[in-house]
Amino acid sequence: AQSVTQLDSQVPVFEEAPVELRCNYSSSVSVYLFWYVQYPNQGLQLLLKYLSGSTLVKGINGFEAEFNKSQTSFHLRKPSVHISDTAEYFCAVYYGGSQGNLIFGKGTKLSVKP
Amino acid sequence: EAQVTQNPRYLITVTGKKLTVTCSQNMNHEYMSWYRQDPGLGLRQIYYSMNVEVTDKGDVPEGYKVSRKEKRNFPLILESPSPNQTSLYFCASRERGGRETQYFGPGTRLLVL
Repeated sequence: AQSVTQLDSQVPVFEEAPVELRCNYSSSVSVYLFWYVQYPNQGLQLLLKYLSGSTLVKGINGFEAEFNKSQTSFHLRKPSVHISDTAEYFCAVYYGGSQGNLIFGKGTKLSVKP
Repeated sequence: EAQVTQNPRYLITVTGKKLTVTCSQNMNHEYMSWYRQDPGLGLRQIYYSMNVEVTDKGDVPEGYKVSRKEKRNFPLILESPSPNQTSLYFCASRERGGRETQYFGPGTRLLVL
């Protein structure tokens, strides 16, 4: 079955520290990969996406993610976080097919402390 | 401004009282979808629509109905709400095709007593 696993439900970090949010997906021939962010009391917005080409993808707010096909991973990173990065982050995968649906992970709550 | 709107944003109701949550998008998107978000469970898809008059069940459709009579609107109907439908609901839309970015509404927080 198609699935997306976010390995950490909560990640606390101090301001200006680096962070990595992990995402693994069940293997498939080809996938499209997304990271969405949800700030408190808001809807989700796109951070970045991988469709093809370079495996390192840069997104908004200084985030980047690396697609690793052999490990079926798409981890999100930021070298130095800010208080304003406190939010919930969702990894999502499009596996293709006629339904065209995204499969979401359960989310990782990033809490940045001063 | 390109956006997905939902109404109401907050709703408290009682068991069995029919309600409708509206969703509208102004981007001429073909694909629209409803999700519910619950703590520890992430986003689960309720229903989706690939185009006008074309709808299909997602992962958790029980207790919900949808309709797609116009391209821009995709209302979610709870004909007999129950407490286990207390949740945060999101509508989303995108162009047809998996490469496309999905745009989300601001959410509707529903409490069923």
